[in-house]
Amino acid sequence: AQKVTQAQTEISVVEKEDVTLDCVYETRDTTYYLFWYKQPPSGELVFLIRRNSFDEQNEISGRYSWNFQKSTSSFNFTITASQVVDSAVYFCALSWYNNNDMRFGAGTRLTVKP
Amino acid sequence: DAGVIQSPRHEVTEMGQEVTLRCKPISGHNSLFWYRQTMMRGLELLIYFNNNVPIDDSGMPEDRFSAKMPNASFSTLKIQPSEPRDSAVYFCASSPRQGNEQFFGPGTRLTVL
Repeated sequence: AQKVTQAQTEISVVEKEDVTLDCVYETRDTTYYLFWYKQPPSGELVFLIRRNSFDEQNEISGRYSWNFQKSTSSFNFTITASQVVDSAVYFCALSWYNNNDMRFGAGTRLTVKP
Repeated sequence: DAGVIQSPRHEVTEMGQEVTLRCKPISGHNSLFWYRQTMMRGLELLIYFNNNVPIDDSGMPEDRFSAKMPNASFSTLKIQPSEPRDSAVYFCASSPRQGNEQFFGPGTRLTVL
């Protein structure tokens, strides 16, 4: 199976808390790509990060960080010191080498309360 | 730089009518995608094009749906005849090449009464 599982349907935190969004994927391919997208209440889908299967280095971008572990087929996303503007639905996605098909997880709705 | 442009942003129509959604990808991108988003089914890939050629339309729900890409800067998704269950947000996305991130348009919210 080629799929993405985001087990957390909804998460609610208070501003300034850290929060981790989980993403587990399944694929038969050895070359693949993982993505995170943000969908704020306005509805557009905003690209956050792309990671290929050969690059397991963790990445940090400001308050955002991503932990990619092939051993557990996970690509988790952490927001440090969350802010109200982080409230959105976050999608993890998977695609494959030489194939433009992209499978999205069901999304995790994050609510950050002031 | 302009992102992916979709029109209309909102469409309300009656069952049985023809609906045409339009998309202009980012200049220089050679892959274009049409998605549908609903609460029940989440984000579904309907069809994608590489260099204006349809590659995979297995996600198109039925024959009432058709998509075209007559040139590198324009694509349409047509539903004829429309049904209430087609109500959803339809996104168009483009990508510079395979394996790269896709950039999404603002979406078209379709309501079929």
